Amino acid sequence: GDSVTQMEGPVTLSEEAFLTINCTYTATGYPSLFWYVQYPGEGLQLLLKATKADDKGSNKGFEATYRKETTSFHLEKGSVQVSDSAVYFCALPLLTQGGSEKLVFGKGTKLTVNP
Amino acid sequence: DGGITQSPKYLFRKEGQNVTLSCEQNLNHDAMYWYRQDPGQGLRLIYYSQIVNDFQKGDIAEGYSVSREKKESFPLTVTSAQKNPTAFYLCASSIRGRVDKNIQYFGAGTRLSVL
Repeated sequence: GDSVTQMEGPVTLSEEAFLTINCTYTATGYPSLFWYVQYPGEGLQLLLKATKADDKGSNKGFEATYRKETTSFHLEKGSVQVSDSAVYFCALPLLTQGGSEKLVFGKGTKLTVNP
Repeated sequence: DGGITQSPKYLFRKEGQNVTLSCEQNLNHDAMYWYRQDPGQGLRLIYYSQIVNDFQKGDIAEGYSVSREKKESFPLTVTSAQKNPTAFYLCASSIRGRVDKNIQYFGAGTRLSVL
């Protein structure tokens, strides 16, 4: 079935380092793809999304490109800050038997940025 | 300010006890969702509702129950049949049930522990 696979964490970086968090997906067709972020003690919030192949989503210095050739949606940031420390989730929509849709999340990747 | 309010923030359950987690939204969203988050397992869907007085089971509905009597409210009851209820519970909502087009907004979560 449809699913997403994220790189296992945790990831620890120094401030201003380059970040990549890998996400690959298995899906029928070309669904929208999402990255959500969860800051410590909080719920999730949408970081960025891409709705079709070759789209690039971007927000707060983060970017991810929807690549159908490699079925990937890797999250990148050129220079991380301490405030980027959080758990990052890749997600895609899945059509249920009842005809409605739900989000399928990866297991999450915890990022810690040290000063 | 519009948003999703979950209460309480922390909840303790005794053996054999049912407990209810509250989720209220003032975003005028039709669809609401309950997720369970365990360390290293990402988010798993418990129940979701696309419209008032209707809801569907998610991937791990056993031991849980919900109601959707009002558009703005979607309480989750963790019953005594749920043998491992310790987790972080997240409520979410979206304008419609089309998750590829409609972003999910999350509450801050309720952390449930067993005494």
